[in-house]
Amino acid sequence: GENVEQHPSTLSVQEGDSAVIKCTYSDSASNYFPWYKQELGKGPQLIIDIRSNVGEKKDQRIAVTLNKTAKHFSLHITETQPEDSAVYFCAAPGGGEYSGAGSYQLTFGKGTKLSVIP
Amino acid sequence: NAGVTQTPKFQVLKTGQSMTLQCAQDMNHNSMYWYRQDPGMGLRLIYYSASEGTTDKGEVPNGYNVSRLNKREFSLRLESAAPSQTSVYFCASSDGAGSSGNTIYFGEGSWLTVV
Repeated sequence: GENVEQHPSTLSVQEGDSAVIKCTYSDSASNYFPWYKQELGKGPQLIIDIRSNVGEKKDQRIAVTLNKTAKHFSLHITETQPEDSAVYFCAAPGGGEYSGAGSYQLTFGKGTKLSVIP
Repeated sequence: NAGVTQTPKFQVLKTGQSMTLQCAQDMNHNSMYWYRQDPGMGLRLIYYSASEGTTDKGEVPNGYNVSRLNKREFSLRLESAAPSQTSVYFCASSDGAGSSGNTIYFGEGSWLTVV
């Protein structure tokens, strides 16, 4: 099964600075890597994703990079703003260490709490 | 624009009591999920339903049962609540497999405390 590790667990940055969150995965066959943002009191929401046929994808101030050789992918947020404060989750295909869901599901990282200090 | 709606939003149970969390989606999605979120543990899949009429265990199914009532509704039942089931529960849905690039849409969560 897939094993996803996410670092750091907490991150504080000054407004306007950049933030980087990194995830590693174990299954070399994985080919889809989404990032979800969870605001306080809300459910997670997809903000960006990347497939294994590209190395980088950008959407305004956020970008995701993928290194398939090293099996890691990262979320980059530039010019951070207070509204970027949230918990961010990475995910990769695969059912984790249990076998029940197989490759149908996503395995989520444990999350990174980002605080942007005004 | 309701999306995924789950009820109740907050619930306090006594150990041994039973309850059902209700979930409905209005996006005509085939797949539905129940996750739990605990501090430092991320999102862990309890059960999922790939399509109407099917349900399968996820990572942490013990102590829970589910019912895919129809294409719209997917309920989670705690038969005999235990303090270890104190958590935030999220229902979610997607058009197809999340691993294939289908966006998973989450409800706003149900805060459950078992005392």
